[in-house]
Amino acid sequence: DGGITQSPKYLFRKEGQNVTLSCEQNLNHDAMYWYRQDPGQGLRLIYYSQIVNDFQKGDIAEGYSVSREKKESFPLTVTSAQKNPTAFYLCASSITRLVQNQPQHFGDGTRLSIL
Amino acid sequence: GQQLNQSPQSMFIQEGEDVSMNCTSSSIFNTWLWYKQDPGEGPVLLIALYKAGELTSNGRLTAQFGITRKDSFLNISASIPSDVGIYFCAGSQGAQKLVFGQGTRLTINP
Repeated sequence: DGGITQSPKYLFRKEGQNVTLSCEQNLNHDAMYWYRQDPGQGLRLIYYSQIVNDFQKGDIAEGYSVSREKKESFPLTVTSAQKNPTAFYLCASSITRLVQNQPQHFGDGTRLSIL
Repeated sequence: GQQLNQSPQSMFIQEGEDVSMNCTSSSIFNTWLWYKQDPGEGPVLLIALYKAGELTSNGRLTAQFGITRKDSFLNISASIPSDVGIYFCAGSQGAQKLVFGQGTRLTINP
């Protein structure tokens, strides 16, 4: 089945640790995105990538890093510089080459908690 | 960053009632999207709107792209228990980035 796969579903981080969240898509989408969701709030954009080997900061990029070495994969690293990392992280992807404003489709999220 | 003003924040209704929620912005958007999110899962796209004034239906759901391009609404008719969840509006200004509302949490009493 085509879709977006995020792993793990739940992740725990110790103070001072970096952790990496995985996002893989087999939809042949060009663009990929990472969002953070806090309880009772909407989604806030962390980073996005419209093409392999290129990515841009979103609204809350501080304390996070990404890479886009393959079209299918867009891992997010939550670094120790992110002081409040506990949140639900969502990955999304969309087509960009053909028509603008194509909807983004989401994975099922990774819930990150601090130990 | 920008945000959309989504209302109401929560709704408590009886099964079978109709539901209406809306999103407004001070900025113009070229695309409006409506998503539904169940607990512990990612948002699922319900309806996409691409043209000012456009009215689009998906089963019992109807959404409209406001004529000023600064607002959108979503209606759900004859609600059923599986409609429970959080509904998000999202707008795009054409650069592949989305701005999200804060969500409307729908609770249905059987």
